[in-house]
Parts: sequence; C-alpha cells; structure tokens
Amino acid sequence: NAGVTQTPKFQVLKTGQSMTLQCAQDMNHEYMSWYRQDPGMGLRLIHYSVGAGITDQGEVPNGYNVSRSTTEDFPLRLLSAAPSQTSVYFCASSYGTSGSSYEQYFGPGTRLTVT
Amino acid sequence: ILNVEQSPQSLHVQEGDSTNFTCSFPSSNFYALHWYRWETAKSPEALFVMTLNGDEKKKGRISATLNTKEGYSYLYIKGSQPEDSATYLCAVRMDSSYKLIFGSGTRLLVRP
Repeated sequence: NAGVTQTPKFQVLKTGQSMTLQCAQDMNHEYMSWYRQDPGMGLRLIHYSVGAGITDQGEVPNGYNVSRSTTEDFPLRLLSAAPSQTSVYFCASSYGTSGSSYEQYFGPGTRLTVT
Repeated sequence: ILNVEQSPQSLHVQEGDSTNFTCSFPSSNFYALHWYRWETAKSPEALFVMTLNGDEKKKGRISATLNTKEGYSYLYIKGSQPEDSATYLCAVRMDSSYKLIFGSGTRLLVRP
C-alpha cells in the first residue's frame, strides 16, 4: 500500500491564483480530512469527509473547497490564494470514525507559499 | 472554543533520562484523546487512542494515561533515546464530533 499520498510536495502561488492540492489513499478508508500547520500552532482542520459524496467544514474552511467523488481521492481547492494561506497542508485518513478506528494516517504534506 | 494545551512547549533531556509531558483539555463532553509522534520532515504517526477515564496504554518505552474527570493526559518516555526526539502532539475529540482538535505539541530533544 502507498498509504496517503499528496501532490505536489511544494508549490509557490501568486496572490489570486487558484490551485488544487491532491490527496489519495489506497487503504479503503472511510474518513479523510485536510489540516493546515502553521508555526506555533497545532494542526487545524480545514474540511473533512466521512465518505464519498459527504463533506463538511472544519475549524478554518474559508477560502477552501473540497469534494469527495470517490473513496480514494479528496482534493483541496484554493479558490483565490492569499498570503495568509501560506502553510504546510496535511491530508489524513482513517478506517472509521469511532474509537481506535479513527486513528489517522497522515500524508507527507504540501508546503505552499503564496506571494 | 475548545482549547487543547500541551506543556511544556519544548524539552531537552539527556539520553537515558525518563520524561513526561502533559495534555490538558476541557473535561465536559470528552469523547477521545489521541497522541501522535511527529519527527522532523516526516508525517505525524499515531501512538495511542484513549477513550476511558483511567485508560493506560503502552508501546515499548512510551506510555500514556488519561484522566477525563480532571481533563488531562500524561505521556511518559522511559529511558529516552536520541531517536525519541520528535514533536509529540495531543488531539482531542469532543462528543462524537469528527473534529480532532490538536494542541501545539511538545518538542522533545534527546541529547546523546
């Protein structure tokens, strides 16, 4: 299994540009989520999905869209990039949503810089 | 707003020392607590998921306890080794919400 994969690893955007961060998992996990990690702060949840066709907002959803058309893929779209979105983005997945089945597997991260 | 606090922010110990750090959270509506280990340039890796008051979990030299009535969890490392150097993250889930709220982590450096 490749686990959770993310592309690209690094990206530089200009303010106002849009792009999609890709996330895929091959573990048939039900739950997928996107976090951002900023210096001095914990991981903050952007959006999550409990299954194909179902998504919901996390703590910091503004400026981001998601969709979950398949179990495997959970792309994160930046609609109009802003410098405040400079961050490291992690995708995570888990088998289920209760007890230890909610143990999250993280991807390698995407480092995004918006100038 | 749910606040998950971890202390200390960072910790330097000598190889062989035992150490522990704390995760504090609101005790009402608690559902589950997760500990993750995050090495530099890698992804966070799950250590433990704990749900019941009094839970104790162990993995090798690392163990954790949970007190849901007073809202804290301790992570212990016995006989620290340089390879234990990492940031240890605590995350809490309240009610049966899917949202994991992370603390900012404790950064551990073990000197040989």
